Amino acid sequence: AQSVTQLDSHVSVSEGTPVLLRCNYSSSYSPSLFWYVQHPNKGLQLLLKYTSAATLVKGINGFEAEFKKSETSFHLTKPSAHMSDAAEYFCVVRANTGGFKTIFGAGTRLFVKA
Amino acid sequence: DAGVIQSPRHEVTEMGQEVTLRCKPISGHDYLFWYRQTMMRGLELLIYFNNNVPIDDSGMPEDRFSAKMPNASFSTLKIQPSEPRDSAVYFCASSVQMNTEAFFGQGTRLTVV
Repeated sequence: AQSVTQLDSHVSVSEGTPVLLRCNYSSSYSPSLFWYVQHPNKGLQLLLKYTSAATLVKGINGFEAEFKKSETSFHLTKPSAHMSDAAEYFCVVRANTGGFKTIFGAGTRLFVKA
Repeated sequence: DAGVIQSPRHEVTEMGQEVTLRCKPISGHDYLFWYRQTMMRGLELLIYFNNNVPIDDSGMPEDRFSAKMPNASFSTLKIQPSEPRDSAVYFCASSVQMNTEAFFGQGTRLTVV
């Protein structure tokens, strides 16, 4: 069975401070993992993806994520938050379980204070 | 490429009416997905197509929902009759392969009153 858990429904940071959005997954198969961002009234945009290559993945807008198999985690980080980063972030796991299944996390809303 | 294009962006309709949502995937993408997003249930996969053929429609909530993909560049999601609980944002997405990233449209915000 597959599942994905985003550990925080809301995260609030000050502009210029680091961002950490946590994601844990469960999969019996080698998964692909993705982070998407959704700005208000917009569609989802891919930030980065892990597909069994390098465990540290760099994405757009300065975000990166590290795949840690031993911890079944795929946390999203950014060294310095910008006001424009305020949005909702989704962690997604996809695996071939005899047919591909895609599971979205519940989302983490990031607030950035000036 | 202009990305995945959905229309309309907003739809307000009365209960009992038929609603048709439209999607144009990215050219060359063989997979097309329809999702529904609500506050209560988050993002749910309703159905997906591969090469215009519906593969998995287990997420379609009721028989009132139907989806078609008559050709590689167009898909529709129809609700007939619509109900207030169908109010949500409906997203269409497409991808080259099943295990590659999906590109999402801007969504259609449906309100059924």
